[in-house]
Amino acid sequence: ILNVEQSPQSLHVQEGDSTNFTCSFPSSNFYALHWYRWETAKSPEALFVMTLNGDEKKKGRISATLNTKEGYSYLYIKGSQPEDSATYLCALTSNSGYALNFGKGTSLLVTP
Amino acid sequence: DTAVSQTPKYLVTQMGNDKSIKCEQNLGHDTMYWYKQDSKKFLKIMFSYNNKELIINETVPNRFSPKSPDKAHLNLHINSLELGDSAVYFCASSHLGGDTEAFFGQGTRLTVV
Repeated sequence: ILNVEQSPQSLHVQEGDSTNFTCSFPSSNFYALHWYRWETAKSPEALFVMTLNGDEKKKGRISATLNTKEGYSYLYIKGSQPEDSATYLCALTSNSGYALNFGKGTSLLVTP
Repeated sequence: DTAVSQTPKYLVTQMGNDKSIKCEQNLGHDTMYWYKQDSKKFLKIMFSYNNKELIINETVPNRFSPKSPDKAHLNLHINSLELGDSAVYFCASSHLGGDTEAFFGQGTRLTVV
């Protein structure tokens, strides 16, 4: 089991605010970094998978960056909307297995 | 069409019973997983399985066993259920390799009384 840390644990922003979360992980045996979005009463859904140092991915108003040398990834949400309210999970896969090792997530609440 | 489906969605059972949770995927994936969500909503890997290899998280009690009749199914059998087994269990699948996204089922809420 790999130790994946996410911060903050929870976040409350106003509609229109931009926000970001951090995921930190051990850089040894790194294989891939995943971000998932998990809405209440639903299943986690993949946002991004990143493998290379310096990778940047974007999907609409959401983007992510990866630094494998120092062991961190940022997830950014530009102009937050109430429908962005969810738990955002970071997960790591290593050279020794395919399973996702999840962090505890950042719970985002966006209010109008 | 549901990509990864689990049954049942809810399961209430008594201590000591043996139960199974079924999982099926129609995505053509070759790797399937079981995750346990604990009381703090933390998702923890229990098993990963493809047609060649079963990887077991060493913290999982041997009362839990995955059974795969074919590539599209990975069922979870639990013997001698204990109160502490109460949790939400998620099945997932992906293509082989740690750099492919996983698709999750809707979860099975197991309550042991």
